[in-house]
Amino acid sequence: KAGVTQTPRYLIKTRGQQVTLSCSPISGHRSVSWYQQTPGQGLQFLFEYFSETQRNKGNFPGRFSGRQFSNSRSEMNVSTLELGDSALYLCASGKGLESEQFFGPGTRLTVL
Amino acid sequence: GIQVEQSPPDLILQEGANSTLRCNFSDSVNNLQWFHQNPWGQLINLFYIPSGTKQNGRLSATTVATERYSLLYISSSQTTDSGVYFCAVARGSGNTGKLIFGQGTTLQVKP
Repeated sequence: KAGVTQTPRYLIKTRGQQVTLSCSPISGHRSVSWYQQTPGQGLQFLFEYFSETQRNKGNFPGRFSGRQFSNSRSEMNVSTLELGDSALYLCASGKGLESEQFFGPGTRLTVL
Repeated sequence: GIQVEQSPPDLILQEGANSTLRCNFSDSVNNLQWFHQNPWGQLINLFYIPSGTKQNGRLSATTVATERYSLLYISSSQTTDSGVYFCAVARGSGNTGKLIFGQGTTLQVKP
């Protein structure tokens, strides 16, 4: 069974641009969550989706948004990029909201 | 919210040694997972262990939910065990699986 996939794997953007990251969950999984990892803040929860509905949102500014499609694939968008948005963005999927979570390889975003 | 503390923050071992990593959490949880982050950043699932004991090869884990801690044991460590180990918990109120991560234990195994 294929694991969680994320595209692109690496991305370089400049301040003020916007970016869209994509996550395809494991087949049959209906929940998708996003996390940001930085050296200073560690792993922080961004948002969580189940059945195309956002179920929970972390403490991030409104520039961070996401959505989930009917096939459970998810995208997250960051608008007006700032230098501090440089991070590894990880996506996780699970059968349900409270089940074991499996992570993708991540997208490493660099903002110049 | 729930606080997750991992200890020690850093650990250096000689190949073949055993180690114990600890994860303390401040409230009851219904999900606890251990991960190993590989050099490329991916989190690899080690254990899904909200309670009890599990073993997988040289690795085993025990969670004592009533006392709010979990332990990850690594026996006969190998250089490939090097990396960062994370514990993550979920409070589980029925409508969220949000994971709260500890700061990690960085393990270096020397040949």
